[in-house]
This record gives sequence, structure tokens and C-alpha cells, in this order.
Amino acid sequence: GENVEQHPSTLSVQEGDSAVIKCTYSDSASNYFPWYKQELGKGPQLIIDIRSNVGEKKDQRIAVTLNKTAKHFSLHITETQPEDSAVYFCAARLDSNYQLIWGAGTKLIIKP
Amino acid sequence: GAGVSQSPSNKVTEKGKDVELRCDPISGHTALYWYRQSLGQGLEFLIYFQGNSAPDKSGLPSDRFSAERTGGSVSTLTIQRTQQEDSAVYLCASSQGFPGELFFGEGSRLTVL
Repeated sequence: GENVEQHPSTLSVQEGDSAVIKCTYSDSASNYFPWYKQELGKGPQLIIDIRSNVGEKKDQRIAVTLNKTAKHFSLHITETQPEDSAVYFCAARLDSNYQLIWGAGTKLIIKP
Repeated sequence: GAGVSQSPSNKVTEKGKDVELRCDPISGHTALYWYRQSLGQGLEFLIYFQGNSAPDKSGLPSDRFSAERTGGSVSTLTIQRTQQEDSAVYLCASSQGFPGELFFGEGSRLTVL
């Protein structure tokens, strides 16, 4: 079955710098890759997703890149702000499947 | 309401007691998921509902755990004879079929003393 590995487990960056979180997946048939952000005391919330027919997707300061050959995808956050501090989860799934396979999460700390 | 609603938000119970956790999904969402999140950990899948049926219960950790969904809406997760290792945040999510964005509630924090 699918397995998703996420690195690093903790990332500390200076406010204004960029942050990159990486995930690898095992099932080459997976074709949907979302990223969720979980703030303290709240449930995760979708921030961006990408499908396998696209190599990159951007939404303001957030971007996701996908390398199908290498089976990895990354979340890029530019010009980090204090409100970016949270735990970020990547996931992978076949579009025909109901279940997301989750990474273990990355705690992002933005230093003032 | 506009979002997924879970109750109670916090529950403290004694070992051996039964607990019920409730999830009110977004109206019209046919898919409903329960996850467990231990402190500082990732998301552990428990069960998935499509409508009122649960085609995948594979994540339920033991037969002390059960869940049901009625009217294609509200779901209840029941834990019998709670143990200390059941202490965690239980998250519910719903989506409008699949593939679809998961909308999560804020979770029910369970503490078993």
C-alpha cells in the first residue's frame, strides 16, 4: 500500500525567510497530493493541493511542486510570517480511493 | 452550522468508563471520517462512512471502539471500557464525496485518568 514520508519533523526559520517541507510517496499510481495546516487546538485545514497532471501550483506565498519520476512533492512558503507557525501535513491518494495516506507532520516555527 | 461540529470539546473520564463522541458534518457531505491524534503525533485513520454505511472499519484499534452514522448525517464514536492509552484528540472530517477536500472539526480531547 501507499506510504508517505515527511521531512523535517521540525523546521525553524526566521520571519521573512522561506520554508520548504518535503514528502515522498511510494505508490506511483497516487495522483492527488494535498497539504493541510493545523493550528494549535484546531483541526487541519487544506491550504493547497496538486494533481499529478501538474508540476507546480501557486497560491500567493504558498507553492507546491511535484516530481512524479522521483515520487516526491514539496511545500514552499515564501516571506514567512508569524501566522505561518503551525503543523503541516502532506498526504497522497488515488483519485478513485477514499482514503488519504498522511505524512507524520512538520512543526513549522517562525522566529521573530 | 457552517462547519463540522464536534462535541464534547473536552472529556475527562475514569478508566473503565464508556464515552461517546459526536460529530455533526457539513450538511450535504456524504463522506465522514474519524481520526485519532495523540499528543504531537500525526493522524491515525479510524473509520470511514459513505452515507450510513462504513465500508472501512480497518482503523478501529480494538473491539472496544465502534461508530455509527444515522440519517447520512450525525456520527457517534463510542469507546467502551476506556483505557489510558485511549487519551487523544479525536477528529472528525467530512467531504462532499471523493475526491474532495476534507473539512475537519476542532476535535474532542479525551483524557482517561
